[in-house]
Amino acid sequence: GQQLNQSPQSMFIQEGEDVSMNCTSSSIFNTWLWYKQDPGEGPVLLIALYKAGELTSNGRLTAQFGITRKDSFLNISASIPSDVGIYFCAGQRNNNDMRFGAGTRLTVKP
Amino acid sequence: DTGVSQDPRHKITKRGQNVTFRCDPISEHNRLYWYRQTLGQGPEFLTYFQNEAQLEKSRLLSDRFSAERPKGSFSTLEIQRTEQGDSAMYLCASRTVGDTIYFGEGSWLTVV
Repeated sequence: GQQLNQSPQSMFIQEGEDVSMNCTSSSIFNTWLWYKQDPGEGPVLLIALYKAGELTSNGRLTAQFGITRKDSFLNISASIPSDVGIYFCAGQRNNNDMRFGAGTRLTVKP
Repeated sequence: DTGVSQDPRHKITKRGQNVTFRCDPISEHNRLYWYRQTLGQGPEFLTYFQNEAQLEKSRLLSDRFSAERPKGSFSTLEIQRTEQGDSAMYLCASRTVGDTIYFGEGSWLTVV
């Protein structure tokens, strides 16, 4: 089962608004990753974070690796319709142990 | 296309039948993973290979499931005597040392 608590479960926003979602865990992770998944497709990597406190941007996306190594957030600025999808956080402890959150479903109204 | 490739993309089968999925990882990636994803959930780890060696299996992988990677390149995931609860998307992913995991597009299984 899921070991990461991802919130919110879903978001309905207007185009142009900023979005924030986060992921928490009771366990420490060495790497945090954020993926986006479109219907019927596999997850696509958005951002990977490797150090506690790290803040990384990828275009309009910004993600941070929490200082405690037990949490991470993802921000999307100036949302556009193609941002629609399900966003998953994933925490990785070692080479083969990656756990996913249950996802945040984002809907962007034009 | 040099990404992770999965086949078939969709499979509908009757309960009790066997099904096999194939994954071709990114060519230089020595590590290969299988995940299962049901609607409304994130992917759940099933098993992991390093080259041809299967190094870890989740307790989700019942005796009806078997995965192989005979030459350390492509992998197959076979489900025997399928049950309706096996209906899910089966995701393959690969990586190399020091890199992140990249997923394929998944194979949808529907057991009727």
